[in-house]
Amino acid sequence: QSVLTQPPSVSGTPGQRVTISCSGGSSNIGSNTVNWYQQLPGAAPKLLIYSDNQRPSGVPDRFSGSKSGTSASLAISGLQSEDEGEYFCATWDDRLEVFGGGTKLTVL
Amino acid sequence: QVQLQESGPGLVKPSETLSLTCSVSGASIRSYYWTWIRQPPGKGLEWIGYIFYNGDKIYNPSLESRISMSLDTSKNHFSLELRSMTAADTAIYYCATGRMSRFASFSYWFDPWGQGTLVTVSS
Repeated sequence: QSVLTQPPSVSGTPGQRVTISCSGGSSNIGSNTVNWYQQLPGAAPKLLIYSDNQRPSGVPDRFSGSKSGTSASLAISGLQSEDEGEYFCATWDDRLEVFGGGTKLTVL
Repeated sequence: QVQLQESGPGLVKPSETLSLTCSVSGASIRSYYWTWIRQPPGKGLEWIGYIFYNGDKIYNPSLESRISMSLDTSKNHFSLELRSMTAADTAIYYCATGRMSRFASFSYWFDPWGQGTLVTVSS
């Protein structure tokens, strides 16, 4: 059971916009910033969004992050087939980093 | 740019100690918060802990009694030891570059990650 709650799966068609939610509590998302990681099949995770809504260089602006209270969201617009994979949210909670259980994105 | 490479045994016997090393290139080991994360096959991510060059360390409380982390500035690498291994410790172990900001809120993120190394615990 993960401290942060994500939907197990989401899906969309190419060009569509999808969002992935991440729900936590006052000791984690409510107190610290949220990061998002993308894990493509067979690969290591890669940073997608840090500090709630900052994109590292090289990450397309189709990816955006937001946070409100104890919940955060990752939005992917203009969905592409290469976006298919798993997405994890993460944040600090008291004395450790915690991750969401992951959301599998399927591009139909 | 920073690149990380894990090395260590792919197979460990139950009750033995796992030793992994992460070699860092493109950055000094005196920068960043060097982090270990693991992922059981087909499952989610679990943060193990981090070490900073000045000796500061924070470990996951659930693993703290079995973990040691160290850092070698001369070799620009850092290491993880996990004692009393069981089948539940079977996972892909990743090292990662931990970055922190305390500007407005506390931010700690991992970029980049190593490719990961699969460690299986079996007799």
